[in-house]
Amino acid sequence: NAGVTQTPKFQVLKTGQSMTLQCAQDMNHNSMYWYRQDPGMGLRLIYYSASEGTTDKGEVPNGYNVSRLNKREFSLRLESAAPSQTSVYFCASSEGDRVNNQPQHFGDGTRLSIL
Amino acid sequence: GNSVTQMEGPVTLSEEAFLTINCTYTATGYPSLFWYVQYPGEGLQLLLKATKADDKGSNKGFEATYRKETTSFHLEKGSVQVSDSAVYFCALTGGMGYNFNKFYFGSGTKLNVKP
Repeated sequence: NAGVTQTPKFQVLKTGQSMTLQCAQDMNHNSMYWYRQDPGMGLRLIYYSASEGTTDKGEVPNGYNVSRLNKREFSLRLESAAPSQTSVYFCASSEGDRVNNQPQHFGDGTRLSIL
Repeated sequence: GNSVTQMEGPVTLSEEAFLTINCTYTATGYPSLFWYVQYPGEGLQLLLKATKADDKGSNKGFEATYRKETTSFHLEKGSVQVSDSAVYFCALTGGMGYNFNKFYFGSGTKLNVKP
């Protein structure tokens, strides 16, 4: 039972390079999310997708774009990487059901360093 | 708006000590509440949840009770083990007039358990 799968697990980029982080879930969840986690900052929401075909900005969207490719996949793109984007990135998914209050499920993260 | 506040860490305890990590929240209506645990180098895993007032969530010896009158959801364990060393996050979703697909997380509390 894979759950939420993120690729790659580690990446080093140079300033100005572009990259796409991939995320896929096999739980038939409607909603998907991208967070970044910095030391001492907890989790900050970058973008989310409430359902297939929709995306919305979170707290810290600047410098990122997202694509909800289909119900399973939600990618995060850095068009021109900056050292301030060095972080651990987590993808999560949830049923998005307003009745049953189900939790989010997280991937193992992508550790991204920008030099 | 909605928010979650949890106690600052790190919390350092000896094995078999009693654990309390405080969590309070601000939300309209009736949110669902969660505790997540993050072990080093891993993603967040759901530890327990509660969906309505007075519910008690429990898992692996951890417990938390949804207290609407004090807007709290404190995490407790009677006897901690070294293997409980991790970062613990309190979170909420839902609530009246609230985008149900969004989750709010506390800043995390690091627990260190010494043998």
